[in-house]
Amino acid sequence: LAKTTQPISMDSYEGQEVNITCSHNNIATNDYITWYQQFPSQGPRFIIQGYKTKVTNEVASLFIPADRKSSTLSLPRVSLSDTAVYYCLVASVSGGSYIPTFGRGTSLIVHP
Amino acid sequence: GAGVSQSPSNKVTEKGKDVELRCDPISGHTALYWYRQRLGQGLEFLIYFQGNSAPDKSGLPSDRFSAERTGESVSTLTIQRTQQEDSAVYLCASSIQGAGYPYEQYFGPGTRLTVT
Repeated sequence: LAKTTQPISMDSYEGQEVNITCSHNNIATNDYITWYQQFPSQGPRFIIQGYKTKVTNEVASLFIPADRKSSTLSLPRVSLSDTAVYYCLVASVSGGSYIPTFGRGTSLIVHP
Repeated sequence: GAGVSQSPSNKVTEKGKDVELRCDPISGHTALYWYRQRLGQGLEFLIYFQGNSAPDKSGLPSDRFSAERTGESVSTLTIQRTQQEDSAVYLCASSIQGAGYPYEQYFGPGTRLTVT
């Protein structure tokens, strides 16, 4: 399983764009990059997933450079409700099984 | 539709007692996962079910932990002779099983276990 490294914590202010970068130097060919969000006292919730280049959905964008050794989750115009822990996962389906590893994540605090 | 549900939401037990935690996945989801999350920590993988079989039990921390799944639906995680270090939130997740593509996991609200 590819190991990921992401900042332990980040601070931002309402209305700003937040970029959280995850390093995964030993990512494998079949690995996908997935981000989850977790609010206190809740289970994680899927945000976005990608394999290469750029993926965008209604809540975030995911930028993946050509070498795929890192990825950046971009949250546009954050609000106080975006305060949460964000997890970067790198894993693939192997033998029909998909077992990603959740690290400690990045604790994002959005200030008024 | 209904999401993943877990019961009980909270469980307080005395050291040495056995506990059973239940997970009801989303209907039709063949993959089911159990995780443990200690206070302020990330998620620790415990076990993964593909249908009713568990091809990966590598995360179970000791032989006091066991899990089963029946009817490709409900799963129970059993902890025997609980210890204080078992105190944590136990999260269950389910997903569609795809060939080669990792589908998103849907998590339940968790069971908070406190061992006194």
